[in-house]
Amino acid sequence: DADVTQTPRNRITKTGKRIMLECSQTKGHDRMYWYRQDPGLGLRLIYYSFDVKDINKGEISDGYSVSRQAQAKFSLSLESAIPNQTALYFCATSDGGHPGTEAFFGQGTRLTVV
Amino acid sequence: GENVEQHPSTLSVQEGDSAVIKCTYSDSASNYFPWYKQELGKRPQLIIDIRSNVGEKKDQRIAVTLNKTAKHFSLHITETQPEDSAVYFCPGAYPQENNAGNMLTFGGGTRLMVKP
Repeated sequence: DADVTQTPRNRITKTGKRIMLECSQTKGHDRMYWYRQDPGLGLRLIYYSFDVKDINKGEISDGYSVSRQAQAKFSLSLESAIPNQTALYFCATSDGGHPGTEAFFGQGTRLTVV
Repeated sequence: GENVEQHPSTLSVQEGDSAVIKCTYSDSASNYFPWYKQELGKRPQLIIDIRSNVGEKKDQRIAVTLNKTAKHFSLHITETQPEDSAVYFCPGAYPQENNAGNMLTFGGGTRLMVKP
């Protein structure tokens, strides 16, 4: 499903480096989310945005920042990457924030911090 | 807002057996109950959902049932196959402090293993 696209798909970076993960969508959805998933664990919400002017912290926002450049684009930044930020990152979109609509996920970005 | 608890966290069944995963919720105003499946290394995808005006919905070997009185909904998989092995999620929603809306959370999910 190319409606939600994440770049890069894989990235290895060094401790202390700044890195940006990008997400773009063609579904026309207002709401976008960033999650991280650690091995054997579930999805934890990092940040979410209900529209271009709205940014909200999720469950685990420390060490991350986001930018909603346009309705279709939502970027996640790690200002100074650390090894425990090694994880699989997912971007998702939904048509409205109410859980009464389906969430669509990107293919994920596997980030390794060495 | 919604507090959703999912059980069990892991479930192992023999191929051909049935599997049931249950989620309980706290908000009696909830009216949408989805289930997502995430295969290893892939993205989560919606597999079935139900609205509060029906008690059960089926799609081939999977079904979702809703008990509004007890505030729980369950995913049922019959005649399990190895390709059913995955993590299954029932997401919940938590309100923002400024009441602008709900953030969508997925929790730990249930890891289902179907043994051949």
